[in-house]
Amino acid sequence: DTGVSQNPRHKITKRGQNVTFRCDPISEHNRLYWYRQTLGQGPEFLTYFQNEAQLEKSRLLSDRFSAERPKGSFSTLEIQRTEQGDSAMYLCASSLGLGPGGNQPQHFGDGTRLSIL
Amino acid sequence: AQRVTQPEKLLSVFKGAPVELKCNYSYSGSPELFWYVQYSRQRLQLLLRHISRESIKGFTADLNKGETSFHLKKPFAQEEDSAMYYCALKPPGGYQKVTFGIGTKLQVIP
Repeated sequence: DTGVSQNPRHKITKRGQNVTFRCDPISEHNRLYWYRQTLGQGPEFLTYFQNEAQLEKSRLLSDRFSAERPKGSFSTLEIQRTEQGDSAMYLCASSLGLGPGGNQPQHFGDGTRLSIL
Repeated sequence: AQRVTQPEKLLSVFKGAPVELKCNYSYSGSPELFWYVQYSRQRLQLLLRHISRESIKGFTADLNKGETSFHLKKPFAQEEDSAMYYCALKPPGGYQKVTFGIGTKLQVIP
């Protein structure tokens, strides 16, 4: 297992275009998280899935953002009508959840760096 | 609201000197606290968590509920400790939103 895999590593697009990122978690992990990180800041939580259910969403996740995890395995994060402020590193993490209090460490991917021209 | 404050963006110490990376948090309850580390050109990874009460790579962190702090300490810095360190907080129970601090870059001078 190579760990959490994210594609593409880097995405450059013009303002107004739609982009989609993919995250493949560690195979046995039932929990998946998306974060956004801008320069000089720590990761900011965007959303969380337990299997295929999206259980938590941050207010940062505007209506232009949508995330899915259709079969409880890989996940996609789509940004519609991109804006300059969307330029950031988008990180995915996964973990093995063992019930409400049984939290195993989150394993992070390398991230997808989005640049909006 | 949950908040994590790391007051130092950069901390430079000489090899062999003690290290203390500061972290203060704001949360009305008993959160879980973590330290994550990112070495150059590597992924963000968990260093330690307060519930484990363990020492990893010589680092320890004690949760002080009175001062709402979770400072990371190491008695003798090594060059390979140079990295970005992030303090993070998670609410107790089933909530999964993790709040990270802005990070402290530790630079160990040979």
